[in-house]
Amino acid sequence: AQSVAQPEDQVNVAEGNPLTVKCTYSVSGNPYLFWYVQYPNRGLQFLLKYITGDNLVKGSYGFEAEFNKSQTSFHLKKPSALVSDSALYFCAVRDREDDYKLSFGAGTTVTVRA
Amino acid sequence: KAGVTQTPRYLIKTRGQQVTLSCSPISGHRSVSWYQQTPGQGLQFLFEYFSETQRNKGNFPGRFSGRQFSNSRSEMNVSTLELGDSALYLCASSSNRGGETQYFGPGTRLLVL
Repeated sequence: AQSVAQPEDQVNVAEGNPLTVKCTYSVSGNPYLFWYVQYPNRGLQFLLKYITGDNLVKGSYGFEAEFNKSQTSFHLKKPSALVSDSALYFCAVRDREDDYKLSFGAGTTVTVRA
Repeated sequence: KAGVTQTPRYLIKTRGQQVTLSCSPISGHRSVSWYQQTPGQGLQFLFEYFSETQRNKGNFPGRFSGRQFSNSRSEMNVSTLELGDSALYLCASSSNRGGETQYFGPGTRLLVL
């Protein structure tokens, strides 16, 4: 079985400061990892994914994430946060051993204050 | 390309009724998945269809069902609605299975009274 944990319900940062949203995972095989963002009353927007290769993945809107196999983590980062980054962020994993079912973390609410 | 579209966007039903939600995937995408999002349970996987066949199913009762048509459009049906079925239902499509990215529609917000 696969699972995803986002240990922080909320992250608060000042505009211009670095933003980190944490994610750890548990899978039987090799993971396919994703980050999505959700704005109020909207669907999920894809930010980035890790399938294989370089552990540092760059995505949309200046976000990046680092895959760490030994720590089973896939933290989302942005060097300089914007007020418009305030939203709900989801980490997700697909596991071939679980027939590629996509499992989501509980989500982290990010608030960037001006 | 047009994104994933879902209809209707909002729906109000009463307990005991049934409801059908529709999802049109991105052109060329063959996989469609459905999710239920609630404040208490978060995002939960309902089922996945690929080439008109259900390939995966989450832990939901048999009242929740779905199907996929030859043009990849998908519908999900919930029978005998309960108050707890009130949620945002999200549809996502991908070109294939495996590591392919799923792209989400705006969702259908269902309120059961």
